[in-house]
Amino acid sequence: DIVLTQAPLSVSVTPGESASISCRSSKSLLSSKGITSLYWYLQRPGKSPQLLIYQMSNLASGVPDRFSSSGSETDFTLKISKVETEDVGVYYCGHRLEYPLTFGSGTKLEIK
Amino acid sequence: EVQLVESGGGLVQPGRSMKLSCAASGFTFSNYGMAWVRQAPTKGLEWVATISYDGSSTYYRDSVKGRFTISRDNAKSTLYLQMNSLRSEDTATYYCTRGSYGGYDYWGQGVMVTVSS
Repeated sequence: DIVLTQAPLSVSVTPGESASISCRSSKSLLSSKGITSLYWYLQRPGKSPQLLIYQMSNLASGVPDRFSSSGSETDFTLKISKVETEDVGVYYCGHRLEYPLTFGSGTKLEIK
Repeated sequence: EVQLVESGGGLVQPGRSMKLSCAASGFTFSNYGMAWVRQAPTKGLEWVATISYDGSSTYYRDSVKGRFTISRDNAKSTLYLQMNSLRSEDTATYYCTRGSYGGYDYWGQGVMVTVSS
């Protein structure tokens, strides 16, 4: 199974500052179709997960452009610019390269 | 507006069965693969099963293979998860989610399943 390792476990950010979350894969997530199968989700407190980023760097519909993602075949970074209070929650990376699908263990973002 | 509404959860004894449903609306259900993802209390996300748009292909995580069955009724725009031989480790909130080209882009509100005697 592909293991996704997220860091840090938690991050505390002052509103208006930036935050970065890392996700490292145990296997290349580059598919045979040339797509990097890495996704980012946000789960706000008490809510369902929501898709933020698909195929490593594409913003999902309705997601503010303060969110961005980049990476290689195995190392990925989610960046949140100008953090707002509504960004509080747990961020998960996940892949869809092969079964079983797996997720990282999550990074909790808190506001200072 | 896309909506996914799960139902059928609750308290069940170990070894017993339960069937979850997910009613979809606001999109052409038969065009999309669907999945169940669960989250144990205070834990992270765990993929459970996926079904193709027409039901011809299904995939399961090893720990539920042979016990859980994912299915769909495209005429009713409904996704199902039949869970047999339930174990305490199956206790979780179960989410149904739509699989699109751009990822799992819509999620239901979740339904709680508690396996306990």
